[in-house]
Amino acid sequence: KAGVTQTPRYLIKTRGQQVTLSCSPISGHRSVSWYQQTPGQGLQFLFEYFSETQRNKGNFPGRFSGRQFSNSRSEMNVSTLELGDSALYLCASSPDRGQNEQFFGPGTRLTVL
Amino acid sequence: GENVEQHPSTLSVQEGDSAVIKCTYSDSASNYFPWYKQELGKRPQLIIDIRSNVGEKKDQRIAVTLNKTAKHFSLHITETQPEDSAVYFCAASKRTDKLIFGTGTRLQVFP
Repeated sequence: KAGVTQTPRYLIKTRGQQVTLSCSPISGHRSVSWYQQTPGQGLQFLFEYFSETQRNKGNFPGRFSGRQFSNSRSEMNVSTLELGDSALYLCASSPDRGQNEQFFGPGTRLTVL
Repeated sequence: GENVEQHPSTLSVQEGDSAVIKCTYSDSASNYFPWYKQELGKRPQLIIDIRSNVGEKKDQRIAVTLNKTAKHFSLHITETQPEDSAVYFCAASKRTDKLIFGTGTRLQVFP
């Protein structure tokens, strides 16, 4: 099976712009979670989607949003970008909700100038 | 809110020595504790996990112990090798709730 894929791999944006990141889970996986990874904060949970519904949400402002499509592919959007949004954004998929292994994608490196 | 503290932030050991990384969680309802390894420039990968109904789990050179009373769990790597060098993250969750990760431990194994 192909692994989790994320596009694009790298992005450079300026403050105030918005960005959309895409994640394709492993075939058959229905749960997709998003994380923000920064050197000082580690992996911080953004949100989880399952069956096209947001099931869990982390402590991020409303500028961060996401969605999931019927084929389980997921997108996250960040509006009104700030310098502090520069990070590696990782998505992870698992077969179902609950306490299962999460399979991570390679990440999207976002740089906000 | 839920919190997972991880120590140390960096750990250097000689090849062949053991390495121990410790984590403490705040939510006593947490019942699932995975450990992920992230090599430089790569994605995190699960190396071992433990559920709250067991106190210890081993997989070759890796073991995890859980103390529910004290709300802490540890990763033990024996006979370390240079390829064990990576950042290790602990995490905790309850039921179908989100995974809360620790801030990571950078392990360096010197030959």
